[in-house]
Amino acid sequence: GQQLNQSPQSMFIQEGEDVSMNCTSSSIFNTWLWYKQDPGEGPVLLIALYKAGELTSNGRLTAQFGITRKDSFLNISASIPSDVGIYFCAGQLNSGGSNYKLTFGKGTLLTVNP
Amino acid sequence: ETGVTQTPRHLVMGMTNKKSLKCEQHLGHNAMYWYKQSAKKPLELMFVYSLEERVENNSVPSRFSPECPNSSHLFLHLHTLQPEDSALYLCASSQGLRGQGISPLHFGNGTRLTVT
Repeated sequence: GQQLNQSPQSMFIQEGEDVSMNCTSSSIFNTWLWYKQDPGEGPVLLIALYKAGELTSNGRLTAQFGITRKDSFLNISASIPSDVGIYFCAGQLNSGGSNYKLTFGKGTLLTVNP
Repeated sequence: ETGVTQTPRHLVMGMTNKKSLKCEQHLGHNAMYWYKQSAKKPLELMFVYSLEERVENNSVPSRFSPECPNSSHLFLHLHTLQPEDSALYLCASSQGLRGQGISPLHFGNGTRLTVT
């Protein structure tokens, strides 16, 4: 099946720094989603991207849907301690009878040092 | 309450026990999902229900048995589990399925299951 390569696996940064993470796929997606998971909680949707080339912001977060439809990145500007968590990308094909299937990356563990 | 609620939050069970996980969504969605989250692995889709009808059984062993009595409730019945089944089990819901303009998934906080 489809697989997503999410990188980096983990990041250790200082408060105030900018962060960038990305996901790549060998096949195309029609939708890219970025989720954040805090310890002991479920993933929470951060940004949804529906069109190739789309650039969307949510506060200090910015994500882009790659023009090839095979990749996406998430940037976090001016990081703060509460940005700590695991960030997941997910791709969705939205075709045929199985458009509900999401392919998830393995996640990027972000640690922010105050 | 709002969102997706899962109970219990933590569960420890022996391999011969029978237990059930419960999920309830308050978002008015018409599709519900069970996912398994294991360390260092991507989220694995287990089951999908649309309007109380199961539309996906992703090669899950029969020791996991889902039940969806209505569009707001989802259960996962567990029996004779193995230690490797220990994981975080996440419930999710969405609006729309199969070309209806599916919305992104909303997840519950999960049940941390430990099989001893």
